[in-house]
Amino acid sequence: DQQVKQNSPSLSVQEGRISILNCDYTNSMFDYFLWYKKYPAEGPTFLISISSIKDKNEDGRFTVFLNKSAKHLSLHIVPSQPGDSAVYFCAAPEPPGKLIFGQGTTLQVKP
Amino acid sequence: DTAVSQTPKYLVTQMGNDKSIKCEQNLGHDTMYWYKQDSKKFLKIMFSYNNKELIINETVPNRFSPKSPDKAHLNLHINSLELGDSAVYFCASSQGTVPSGELFFGEGSRLTVL
Repeated sequence: DQQVKQNSPSLSVQEGRISILNCDYTNSMFDYFLWYKKYPAEGPTFLISISSIKDKNEDGRFTVFLNKSAKHLSLHIVPSQPGDSAVYFCAAPEPPGKLIFGQGTTLQVKP
Repeated sequence: DTAVSQTPKYLVTQMGNDKSIKCEQNLGHDTMYWYKQDSKKFLKIMFSYNNKELIINETVPNRFSPKSPDKAHLNLHINSLELGDSAVYFCASSQGTVPSGELFFGEGSRLTVL
């Protein structure tokens, strides 16, 4: 049973527009969330995180929003750039020390 | 200078063989992990070690045996390979155990079992 779900396998946006990647979770005990970015033939790299005491965290062009009541978070990329084309994973930590990942969303940003 | 490096990057082998994947990190982290990305693209934890001690064994068949000779290395040995073992295996490390720290991943080792 997947505790972290990314229901959109792919997303295509035009350069300069906003990309919105969504993630849902089922475990109400999750209190911290991370987004990872993965290019082909590379390992995932950390992008941005958010604690459950916040509803928004911003880092440059990347903003993550958390809606605890809906058990939903989203990653906004504004403006989107072709170099943002990658697979994006949402993840949540679960004791005793593992990350539960969603299945990823492939973002394509078209020039 | 690669932070988390795994070898080999690609591995093609026959069913029933035994193979190993090696991982080394030069970040000074005390926790290392093996994750498996299957054909459905899910990234799932297999094992984690903290200072050479096994912390997580996520109901992985005992054909898979991790070995951590020191806190900078975590190797994965797989006996009697099966078709379903075909996947990309990622090594990762962190300072402390999650959730306090992010994971740093290697580039992955793609295993194909024929």
